[in-house]
Amino acid sequence: QKEVEQDPGPLSVPEGAIVSLNCTYSNSAFQYFMWYRQYSRKGPELLMYTYSSGNKEDGRFTAQVDKSSKYISLFIRDSQPSDSATYLCAMNTPGGSYIPTFGRGTSLIVHP
Amino acid sequence: EPEVTQTPSHQVTQMGQEVILRCVPISNHLYFYWYRQILGQKVEFLVSFYNNEISEKSEIFDDQFSVERPDGSNFTLKIRSTKLEDSAMYFCASRRGLAQSTDTQYFGPGTRLTVL
Repeated sequence: QKEVEQDPGPLSVPEGAIVSLNCTYSNSAFQYFMWYRQYSRKGPELLMYTYSSGNKEDGRFTAQVDKSSKYISLFIRDSQPSDSATYLCAMNTPGGSYIPTFGRGTSLIVHP
Repeated sequence: EPEVTQTPSHQVTQMGQEVILRCVPISNHLYFYWYRQILGQKVEFLVSFYNNEISEKSEIFDDQFSVERPDGSNFTLKIRSTKLEDSAMYFCASRRGLAQSTDTQYFGPGTRLTVL
């Protein structure tokens, strides 16, 4: 079983839709959870950062962590064509080297 | 806003040649990293660097790879004898080094390495 699983997509939605992106993981020691956005041929850009379980909201983005299910989600409200990118989940353990384990990324396409 | 920069954006080389990929981390950051991403695959950690030495490396980072911080601003990744399978995007990242949970890495735009 891979440490971090993420459906590569592509996920295609109309503008204005609510998008749900998800990752599952197997390592129960993960405590820090991140979502990165990566535009084509660019580096990952940190979007959201959460610690342990719960929700965190930032504008149109909400990150959700369910440690009991080893499942994390990123919701995008009122999606825009500019949200079209690959979204990478990443996670790491506390007191460690700050080196995240990445998922494969989900390609999101928001069409006008 | 400060950002990590990388040069060149695209490097084409022949198999067996040496390449040096360059990065300028954010100026007040203390930890530096190299990652690679083969097309269609996930981002993979190569090496981390702190206080002028390697602090951690993955099994990918074998004797063909080396890193250096030759001056106060640049951070380089050298591949001594490139192989076809080294073709990938190489990302540099840096981190401030704060002792708090929100201290995260900032990535550069990447160098696309093509080995022919």
